[in-house]
Amino acid sequence: GAGVSQTPSNKVTEKGKYVELRCDPISGHTALYWYRQSLGQGPEFLIYFQGTGAADDSGLPNDRFFAVRPEGSVSTLKIQRTERGDSAVYLCASSESNTGELFFGEGSRLTVL
Amino acid sequence: EDQVTQSPEALRLQEGESSSLNCSYTVSGLRGLFWYRQDPGKGPEFLFTLYSAGEEKEKERLKATLTKKESFLHITAPKPEDSATYLCACLFGSARQLTFGSGTQLTVLP
Repeated sequence: GAGVSQTPSNKVTEKGKYVELRCDPISGHTALYWYRQSLGQGPEFLIYFQGTGAADDSGLPNDRFFAVRPEGSVSTLKIQRTERGDSAVYLCASSESNTGELFFGEGSRLTVL
Repeated sequence: EDQVTQSPEALRLQEGESSSLNCSYTVSGLRGLFWYRQDPGKGPEFLFTLYSAGEEKEKERLKATLTKKESFLHITAPKPEDSATYLCACLFGSARQLTFGSGTQLTVLP
C-alpha cells in the first residue's frame, strides 16, 4: 500500500475487555510511532520503534498498554482491561528516519463503554 | 517543562482574508519545529519543517516562519479548502518523538 494502514478504523468495546490495534507502516520505513489523540487535543506520544525494538516507551500511560513489532514492519498496540478513559483515536505513524517528518495513518477510534 | 502552545484555538476567516496562526514553545534544545495539517477523521499530514530562527518555508498559500520563541503559519488569501486543524510540533533535546500543540481549528467561509 501507498500509505500507513490502521485496522480497525473503529472499535467499540466494554470496560475491562482486551483490545488490539494494528498498524501496517509504509514499506521500508524503519521508524514507527504510536500516538493517542483525544477530541480537541494534539496527538500524545505513546511509543516509538526503531526496527523491531521499542526505542522509547516513555509515553505508555501504565502497564495495561503494550506494543510489539516482531518483524520490524507491522506493529500491534495491545490494551488490557480497558477503561472508559482509554477512549480516543490511536494514531500510527512511520518515517524513513528520525527526522520528525512523519506519515500518519487515519487512526483507530476506540470507544470504551 | 517543555511545552508547545498554539493560539488561537479556533479561527474563522472569510475567503481571501489573510491571517496568522501562532505556535509558541518553551523547549530546551530545539532540533526542529514542524507544521502539520489535519482534516476531520484523518491523520495529520506533514507541511513544513523549520530548523533555525529566521528560516521560512512556503507552500501555495501557506508560509511558515520561526523565531527563537515562536513560529507563525501565515495564510494568504485562504480558500474554503484550507479549512482544517493546523498542528505545530517540536523535536527537542535527545527525544525521538514529536511533542504536539493542541492545534488551531481554521474555518474559511466562502
